[in-house]
Amino acid sequence: DAKTTQPNSMESNEEEPVHLPCNHSTISGTDYIHWYRQLPSQGPEYVIHGLTSNVNNRMASLAIAEDRKSSTLILHRATLRDAAVYYCILRKVNNAGKSTFGDGTTLTVKP
Amino acid sequence: KAGVTQTPRYLIKTRGQQVTLSCSPISGHRSVSWYQQTPGQGLQFLFEYFSETQRNKGNFPGRFSGRQFSNSRSEMNVSTLELGDSALYLCASSFHGRGEETQYFGPGTRLLVL
Repeated sequence: DAKTTQPNSMESNEEEPVHLPCNHSTISGTDYIHWYRQLPSQGPEYVIHGLTSNVNNRMASLAIAEDRKSSTLILHRATLRDAAVYYCILRKVNNAGKSTFGDGTTLTVKP
Repeated sequence: KAGVTQTPRYLIKTRGQQVTLSCSPISGHRSVSWYQQTPGQGLQFLFEYFSETQRNKGNFPGRFSGRQFSNSRSEMNVSTLELGDSALYLCASSFHGRGEETQYFGPGTRLLVL
């Protein structure tokens, strides 16, 4: 499975935008980029995913580099509830239910 | 639509015992995956079931096993528990387990082995 690399931690101020980077230089053409976040003692929560084009939903935006070797999760206005561990995951189209989680980025949001 | 449910939520066992955890996927989802989360190893994939068949498997010993029923509900079993099996066990479901699909995670079962 292709690996992803994320910073261990990031800080943001409340109501400011947050850009969470992810490097995936060995991504293949059939790998989908997924982002999840996890609050303490809870299961991971789906945030967004994409293949080649940038994606927007009510939670966040996903910006994918043209060569697909990196992506950025954008939270437009961070709130205290966005403090969590964010995971960037690659999933092959036929990966049969397997997600390979790295260490993720711990996002701290300051009031 | 109800989310993924897992029972029990908390469990305490002693070394050498066995344990069975249950997962009910979102209605219509046929793929159920299991993960183990520990502070040291992070989130690791255990196995995936689809249409009552194990289709994918992670790198865990044979003490970890699972099954899936015709209604897509799944159970995982850990035999001869070890202290290192203390973890949060998560299950996730999706329609077919394909890469473009969203996996929805349950709240997890926290297992403590004494």
